[in-house]
Amino acid sequence: EDQVTQSPEALRLQEGESSSLNCSYTVSGLRGLFWYRQDPGKGPEFLFTLYSAGEEKEKERLKATLTKKESFLHITAPKPEDSATYLCAEGPHAGNNRKLIWGLGTSLAVNP
Amino acid sequence: DGGITQSPKYLFRKEGQNVTLSCEQNLNHDAMYWYRQDPGQGLRLIYYSQIVNDFQKGDIAEGYSVSREKKESFPLTVTSAQKNPTAFYLCASWKDRAYGYTFGSGTRLTVV
Repeated sequence: EDQVTQSPEALRLQEGESSSLNCSYTVSGLRGLFWYRQDPGKGPEFLFTLYSAGEEKEKERLKATLTKKESFLHITAPKPEDSATYLCAEGPHAGNNRKLIWGLGTSLAVNP
Repeated sequence: DGGITQSPKYLFRKEGQNVTLSCEQNLNHDAMYWYRQDPGQGLRLIYYSQIVNDFQKGDIAEGYSVSREKKESFPLTVTSAQKNPTAFYLCASWKDRAYGYTFGSGTRLTVV
């Protein structure tokens, strides 16, 4: 069964303390690996899409990387405003429904 | 700016009542989706629509109904047949494979 697993479930960092979030996937042929940010009580916001092993994308303090089995979201020198839940998802899947398989998310808290 | 508007932000329903959640988009996207988000569970697909006047069941469609009479609108009705409707509901549209979904800000439904 296709599955996306994120770790850790929760992460607390001090401002400026760099770290990485993990998203591992077991799918029969990666189509795309998506990263979203979700603030409390809001909908997810798109961050990155990665398609092939070795690919990297950056946006401000965030960098997403992809291997054949997992993706990492590296957060460099985080600030309190980076606090959010980070979701990853894989897809879109067969047919025209463009369904993504979602992980449960990592809740990140950055303390000032 | 284009986007997806969900209303209301908070909704309270008495047991046995049907309620309708609104979703409007001005992105000119063909495909629209309803997801349900519960603590400890990933996003689960309720219904989706690729074009006007056509929609398909997702993974958890029981107790829900939708319509797609206009490209811009995709309302979701939570019927009394849905046994556990308390959740955060997200409407989304699909842009393309590079950007994935655009989400609305969500509606939190509580049964009282």
